[in-house]
Amino acid sequence: AQKVTQAQTEISVVEKEDVTLDCVYETRDTTYYLFWYKQPPSGELVFLIRRNSFDEQNEISGRYSWNFQKSTSSFNFTITASQVVDSAVYFCALSEAGNRGSTLGRLYFGRGTQLTVWP
Amino acid sequence: NAGVTQTPKFQVLKTGQSMTLQCAQDMNHNSMYWYRQDPGMGLRLIYYSASEGTTDKGEVPNGYNVSRLNKREFSLRLESAAPSQTSVYFCASSVLVGQGGEEQYFGPGTRLTVT
Repeated sequence: AQKVTQAQTEISVVEKEDVTLDCVYETRDTTYYLFWYKQPPSGELVFLIRRNSFDEQNEISGRYSWNFQKSTSSFNFTITASQVVDSAVYFCALSEAGNRGSTLGRLYFGRGTQLTVWP
Repeated sequence: NAGVTQTPKFQVLKTGQSMTLQCAQDMNHNSMYWYRQDPGMGLRLIYYSASEGTTDKGEVPNGYNVSRLNKREFSLRLESAAPSQTSVYFCASSVLVGQGGEEQYFGPGTRLTVT
């Protein structure tokens, strides 16, 4: 079973629209970490945010905001007033703390959401 | 401070050929990883190394071998390349951070095509 599900394969919006990218995760650990990465057309992975399971406070960084809800195992990402430069593939990822003998740092990725922002 | 570097950036192989993808990090991280990215599949872990001298299989290890040469370097070898190994390969390293857990740093990727 996939640990991280990004049900939206592709999303298209027009510039200045708000857009929310969904992420649902599955884990039995009580301590875990959630991430969002951006992959622009150039191909590199750009780190956006890291959140631990004990911190359910929502976070805002400029036009980006994240909504973490343990009750629904979701960690959704909203871009406000989208811009063409936001066009990219966005990945949600999970790492688990309880895997004895395994490095904490290994990430389980969702399949990604391709966001296209049209001018 | 170059972070995580990978060589080569692009490679074309014929079926059955072998090659080694190189990865190095200059951040003194203990843990290193190899992922592959295929269209619509996200990134999947091939192998990882929690510390110098140790390696472990990830989700998709078949057809690959790895070597943690020292703390800086972690190489991925394809002994007999197959078209199914056409992919983009990312190397990463990680470090414990203040809030607990680890933060990963990714290399720029190697685009491999096997014909």
